[in-house]
Amino acid sequence: AQKITQTQPGMFVQEKEAVTLDCTYDTSDQSYGLFWYKQPSSGEMIFLIYQGSYDEQNATEGRYSLNFQKARKSANLVISASQLGDSAMYFCAMREGLNNAGNMLTFGGGTRLMVKP
Amino acid sequence: ETGVTQTPRHLVMGMTNKKSLKCEQHLGHNAMYWYKQSAKKPLELMFVYSLEERVENNSVPSRFSPECPNSSHLFLHLHTLQPEDSALYLCASSQDRGQKETQYFGPGTRLLVL
Repeated sequence: AQKITQTQPGMFVQEKEAVTLDCTYDTSDQSYGLFWYKQPSSGEMIFLIYQGSYDEQNATEGRYSLNFQKARKSANLVISASQLGDSAMYFCAMREGLNNAGNMLTFGGGTRLMVKP
Repeated sequence: ETGVTQTPRHLVMGMTNKKSLKCEQHLGHNAMYWYKQSAKKPLELMFVYSLEERVENNSVPSRFSPECPNSSHLFLHLHTLQPEDSALYLCASSQDRGQKETQYFGPGTRLLVL
């Protein structure tokens, strides 16, 4: 079974509107972390936001927020007020365990977001 | 220089060539990673080094050979590659351990094997 599932291969959003990118995960660990990265066409993976499994509040970073539903094992990324520069691939990733040596991440397959002017 | 840098940014090589990819991090991290990103496939972790020792090798073919001489530098030596090895190779670094520690990525090397 896949550990990280992103079911939307591609999405369109109108500029200035909000968009939600889905991510579900599978783990038996009680302690884990969830990450979202953005990858523009240039190739670099840019860290956006982090949510810990024990964090009681949803993480927010500027226009990015994470809709964390632990019981449903989902960690959806919400981008408010979309901008043309938000067009990119978006990846959800998970780190399992509190102290896994090497701090390894498992990535989902990604969602391509296209912002329409 | 800041963050994670990678050289070269683009590389074209024949199947009989030997080349090396270089990664350098300026973040004071103690773990470094090589990933392979092929078209329409999830990011694949190739190698992990923590405190300059290899922690993970995800069954990568021996034609890829990593080297980590110190905590700031990571190399990927390439020899007798195949056309299916054409991909974007990404380097990342982080602090080892700790749930919140984020991996920071370099811009990648786009490799084409002819």
